[in-house]
Amino acid sequence: DIQMTQSPSSLSASVGDRVTITCQASQDISNYLNWYQQKPGKAPKLLIYDASNLETGVPSRFSGSGSGTDFTFTISSLQPEDIATYYCQQYDNLPPSLTFGGGTKVEIK
Amino acid sequence: EVQLVQSGAEVKKPGESLKISCKGSGYSFTSYWIGWVRQMPGKGLEWMGIIYPGDSDTRYSPSFQGQVTISADKSISTAYLQWSSLKASDTAMYYCARLYYYDSSNWFDPWGQGTLVTVSS
Repeated sequence: DIQMTQSPSSLSASVGDRVTITCQASQDISNYLNWYQQKPGKAPKLLIYDASNLETGVPSRFSGSGSGTDFTFTISSLQPEDIATYYCQQYDNLPPSLTFGGGTKVEIK
Repeated sequence: EVQLVQSGAEVKKPGESLKISCKGSGYSFTSYWIGWVRQMPGKGLEWMGIIYPGDSDTRYSPSFQGQVTISADKSISTAYLQWSSLKASDTAMYYCARLYYYDSSNWFDPWGQGTLVTVSS
């Protein structure tokens, strides 16, 4: 089974700061990496698919990059409404595997 | 609008059985896999398994194989997650989500609102 290591597990930043989260796969997953945002008490929401593609309607301050085993998620200018936990998730077809990273809780300093 | 609506919160005793549901609308229910994801209190997301309602092909995460049963009734566009004998450790929020696919890529979108299952004596 592919393992996803996400870091940090939590961070505190000021409004307007640049925030970066990393996700490392235990083996090459090409660009089959998605990012989700989960606000407190809510269901997760897709933000980025295939490592770097922004879902329709998602603000452009969110971005993703990487391929192979190392991936990065960035919020270019943190806003109060970005308070949430962010998860990476990989997809492998054979056998089906949709492993999530451990999550990163983002708070405002 | 593509939507998944889940059944309401449940409170059960250890050893009881349970079946929760996820009803899809706004798209061809039989053409996309549906997945189930567990979130234990204060913890992260864990994928449990997926089902293709078109032919009920089901795949389980190794961590959940034998622990739960995933099924679907395509005539009413509904997927199910069931337990035959609940344990206190099954207490969690359970989400269903459509597994959208494009070429070789897949992602969960949209998600249901979640069903909270509480198992306590």
